[in-house]
Amino acid sequence: QKEVEQDPGPLSVPEGAIVSLNCTYSNSAFQYFMWYRQYSRKGPELLMYTYSSGNKEDGRFTAQVDKSSKYISLFIRDSQPSDSATYLCAMRVGGNQFYFGTGTSLTVIP
Amino acid sequence: GAVVSQHPSRVICKSGTSVKIECRSLDFQATTMFWYRQFPKQSLMLMATSNEGSKATYEQGVEKDKFLINHASLTLSTLTVTSAHPEDSSFYICSAPPGGRDTQYFGPGTRLTVL
Repeated sequence: QKEVEQDPGPLSVPEGAIVSLNCTYSNSAFQYFMWYRQYSRKGPELLMYTYSSGNKEDGRFTAQVDKSSKYISLFIRDSQPSDSATYLCAMRVGGNQFYFGTGTSLTVIP
Repeated sequence: GAVVSQHPSRVICKSGTSVKIECRSLDFQATTMFWYRQFPKQSLMLMATSNEGSKATYEQGVEKDKFLINHASLTLSTLTVTSAHPEDSSFYICSAPPGGRDTQYFGPGTRLTVL
């Protein structure tokens, strides 16, 4: 079993839709959770960072962590064509070892 | 946010040549940097952890003699692909966690094409 599971998609939604991206994990010791956005042929860009359980909101983006279910989510409200990218979840226990999901490819159709 | 740069952004070389890729942390010091490889439509594959002033730690299956890593200063790590072959063609990305922060920032990546 992989440490982090993420549905690769692809996911296609109309502009303005609410997008839900999810990852599940197996290691209950993970404490730090991140979402990265990666445009084609570019390096990943840090989008959201959350420590432990709870919600975090930044503009149109909301990150949720449910440690009891070992489940994290990223919600994008009022999705825009510029949100079309691959979204990677990442997590770590501590120290420098990060575990990444495989990424979900999102296309927002104008 | 912290800035990590990579150079070159893309390189095309002939089979058998060596290619050096630089990764710099522009506004912070990084005692540790990571090197990843990414194939099209696939996730990041950690190749090695670069430690300033000491040897890099390579992931299982990564040839340390082929992918030479040097972390000579707190702001620079280099990856040299030696005797490159077409199967080494890939997107190479570095990252660094700023000191005291719990996440890492990625460089823009280097696309290597070996003919």
